[in-house]
Amino acid sequence: NAGVTQTPKFQVLKTGQSMTLQCAQDMNHEYMSWYRQDPGMGLRLIHYSVGAGITDQGEVPNGYNVSRSTTEDFPLRLLSAAPSQTSVYFCASSYYRTGRSTEAFFGQGTRLTVV
Amino acid sequence: KNQVEQSPQSLIILEGKNCTLQCNYTVSPFSNLRWYKQDTGRGPVSLTIMTFSENTKSNGRYTATLDADTKQSSLHITASQLSDSASYICVVSANQAGTALIFGKGTTLSVSS
Repeated sequence: NAGVTQTPKFQVLKTGQSMTLQCAQDMNHEYMSWYRQDPGMGLRLIHYSVGAGITDQGEVPNGYNVSRSTTEDFPLRLLSAAPSQTSVYFCASSYYRTGRSTEAFFGQGTRLTVV
Repeated sequence: KNQVEQSPQSLIILEGKNCTLQCNYTVSPFSNLRWYKQDTGRGPVSLTIMTFSENTKSNGRYTATLDADTKQSSLHITASQLSDSASYICVVSANQAGTALIFGKGTTLSVSS
């Protein structure tokens, strides 16, 4: 199984450019999320989705948009890239069952540099 | 404020030795505590998940403990191997659905031969 697949692995953008980070999972998980990881900090939640058509903001949503048209895909869009968005981005997915704590599966990450 | 603090920040040990990593948290409400291993350039991989009623959980050479009263957890690694070199991240979930994960900054472990 592929699990959680992120593309691209590396990306360099110029300030003001827009782009979409792709995330796909083949485990039929309801819950998907995007995090950013910066040096000296823990992962921080950007946006998340509890199912197709449902998204919500996390801790650091400014400058990012998401949509969830299918269970499998959860793209992250940078509207106008800024140097402060230079980071490593991780997509994660998990399933939810009442009364159970389930693990989250992470993708390999996208390392984004904004110059 | 919900916080997860890990210590030490970094650790160097010889291959074959044991080590223990610490995690203190102030998260409310508390649903579960997770330990993840993150290799350089890779995404985090789950090692254990514990609810408040679980004191100990093992995954091979990794053993996690949880004291919900003192809000402390530890990850013990037995007979370390070179492949254990990684960042170990403590994560507390404020709900069962996992939509409110609070991440620690991680402990960087280096195992040398």
